[in-house]
Amino acid sequence: EPEVTQTPSHQVTQMGQEVILRCVPISNHLYFYWYRQILGQKVEFLVSFYNNEISEKSEIFDDQFSVERPDGSNFTLKIRSTKLEDSAMYFCASRRTANYGYTFGSGTRLTVV
Amino acid sequence: AQTVTQSQPEMSVQEAETVTLSCTYDTSESDYYLFWYKQPPSRQMILVIRQEAYKQQNATENRFSVNFQKAAKSFSLKISDSQLGDAAMYFCAYRSDYTGANSKLTFGKGITLSVRP
Repeated sequence: EPEVTQTPSHQVTQMGQEVILRCVPISNHLYFYWYRQILGQKVEFLVSFYNNEISEKSEIFDDQFSVERPDGSNFTLKIRSTKLEDSAMYFCASRRTANYGYTFGSGTRLTVV
Repeated sequence: AQTVTQSQPEMSVQEAETVTLSCTYDTSESDYYLFWYKQPPSRQMILVIRQEAYKQQNATENRFSVNFQKAAKSFSLKISDSQLGDAAMYFCAYRSDYTGANSKLTFGKGITLSVRP
């Protein structure tokens, strides 16, 4: 069964550093998402992306965050200057069309020290 | 804005028994989707079951079934013949059908299910 692949599985970074989280969605999917889950808390929506542009973003997704689909296969989330409170599990998800369900990746655990 | 509430933080069930996980939601919309996701210790989010609001029939997937009460805005998950592998965090989620293909999922806080051998 096709999978959404996320790398790395765990990343540790110094506060103030830039990080890029990578995702490879399922190849025929058209809609892409990033969610995050702070440890022990609920999963929160960050951003959705379709047709090479952001279609919706949450309040969490401020100017420190950006997304890109640089080469038609990867979908990246960049955090420009990480803060301690950015420590969380970040999930990438994709969907083929409006009527299809989401497929989630296995997540990247980001630890900011 | 839509909200999803899972008021039970933890539940426990004996292996082979049946357990029901509760979820309520608040929305002014009439067309939407509801989901249950399972998150095992590996932290992957796995879709368990999905329900379209326009369908009166409750969704079932093998040992998993839902009790969807649209008027009460209630969406509970029943797990029959519980197995040790069912132990996980379970999240209830809502998705609007109005904002089209880009609709995000709104999650509840989750419930930790443990299964006693």
